[in-house]
Amino acid sequence: EDQVTQSPEALRLQEGESSSLNCSYTVSGLRGLFWYRQDPGKGPEFLFTLYSAGEEKEKERLKATLTKKESFLHITAPKPEDSATYLCAVRGYGGATNKLIFGTGTLLAVQP
Amino acid sequence: GAVVSQHPSRVICKSGTSVKIECRSLDFQATTMFWYRQFPKQSLMLMATSNEGSKATYEQGVEKDKFLINHASLTLSTLTVTSAHPEDSSFYICSGRDHSTDTQYFGPGTRLTVL
Repeated sequence: EDQVTQSPEALRLQEGESSSLNCSYTVSGLRGLFWYRQDPGKGPEFLFTLYSAGEEKEKERLKATLTKKESFLHITAPKPEDSATYLCAVRGYGGATNKLIFGTGTLLAVQP
Repeated sequence: GAVVSQHPSRVICKSGTSVKIECRSLDFQATTMFWYRQFPKQSLMLMATSNEGSKATYEQGVEKDKFLINHASLTLSTLTVTSAHPEDSSFYICSGRDHSTDTQYFGPGTRLTVL
């Protein structure tokens, strides 16, 4: 069964304090791993798609990396506006090929 | 990124009435659309998947006669909550898959409150 586990559940950082969020996954053939950001009371906002181990993508202070078992979302010198819930999801080639399987998210709070 | 809109953003209705939520993909064609429900401080729960011109596929435990989904065009899907009750109060989010990039984009959500 496809599964996604995110850690930590919550993370509090000082402005400028870099850190990483983890997304561990098991999937029968990875079709894509997706990172989203969700602000309170809003729908998830797409950040990145990663397709194969070794792939990396960057956007402003965020960098996503992928191995065969996990993905990291690195946040460099975060600012308070980076505070949000970060969701990881996978889509596999197995039985439920149409669905995204989501983790429970990491709630990030960046204090000024 | 691609844009998905939802309307209304917020709705309050009386128990027993029906509510329709619209979801539109504005700059891409969404052959497949998804409807999610989200409770406070929880992750997204998939309710159903719809393909344009076909009947929706509902997840286990989701009543198809209560949550009617129509996906009549490549840019529009609707969710109708029939005979709404207070326990249907929730945050409903739609999503469309852009098959050219194999990426799902989400709408801003609709907050439903049933009195």
